[in-house]
Amino acid sequence: NAGVTQTPKFQVLKTGQSMTLQCAQDMNHNSMYWYRQDPGMGLRLIYYSASEGTTDKGEVPNGYNVSRLNKREFSLRLESAAPSQTSVYFCASSEPRGGTTGELFFGEGSRLTVL
Amino acid sequence: DAKTTQPPSMDCAEGRAANLPCNHSTISGNEYVYWYRQIHSQGPQYIIHGLKNNETNEMASLIITEDRKSSTLILPHATLRDTAVYYCIVRVRGGSQGNLIFGKGTKLSVKP
Repeated sequence: NAGVTQTPKFQVLKTGQSMTLQCAQDMNHNSMYWYRQDPGMGLRLIYYSASEGTTDKGEVPNGYNVSRLNKREFSLRLESAAPSQTSVYFCASSEPRGGTTGELFFGEGSRLTVL
Repeated sequence: DAKTTQPPSMDCAEGRAANLPCNHSTISGNEYVYWYRQIHSQGPQYIIHGLKNNETNEMASLIITEDRKSSTLILPHATLRDTAVYYCIVRVRGGSQGNLIFGKGTKLSVKP
């Protein structure tokens, strides 16, 4: 049982390049999230998907797009990377329905550097 | 979801209890208090959650004040491996899952 898997774990981009961060969960969760964490800071929500087929903006959505490809997968795309997007990106999932703890399960993070 | 306030850092001696406070004065009646921790730069890990009663599991205890405006996470016998950033968040468990605010958390340093 892998939990939440993120790829790639490390990536270096040049300003203006595009890339997609992939996230997959095998826990049959309905909700998935993308966070970013800058040095010395807490996690800030970029986008979330409450269920398959829906996505919503979080606290810091500018410069990003997301796709909830199916129930398992939630991708984050940077169309034109900027140095300000240098960060560690975390994907998470949760099962919000009654009878569960509602806890978030996080991946190990994707470390992105934009030069 | 309501916001929380935590001290930026705390120290604790190994083997002693670590008591981490959190203020959530604007918490709503249907919001739970959740605690997570992040060891080094790994993904955050769930610790415990509660609504209004005190809770205990194998990792920690959660004490919520009667007015629910604050809570304390207790690690009864802190070890060096408990050195981490601890986040307190409040959220509705079964409702909308939007915009979960983590804040900067409390950096706990457990010292030998």
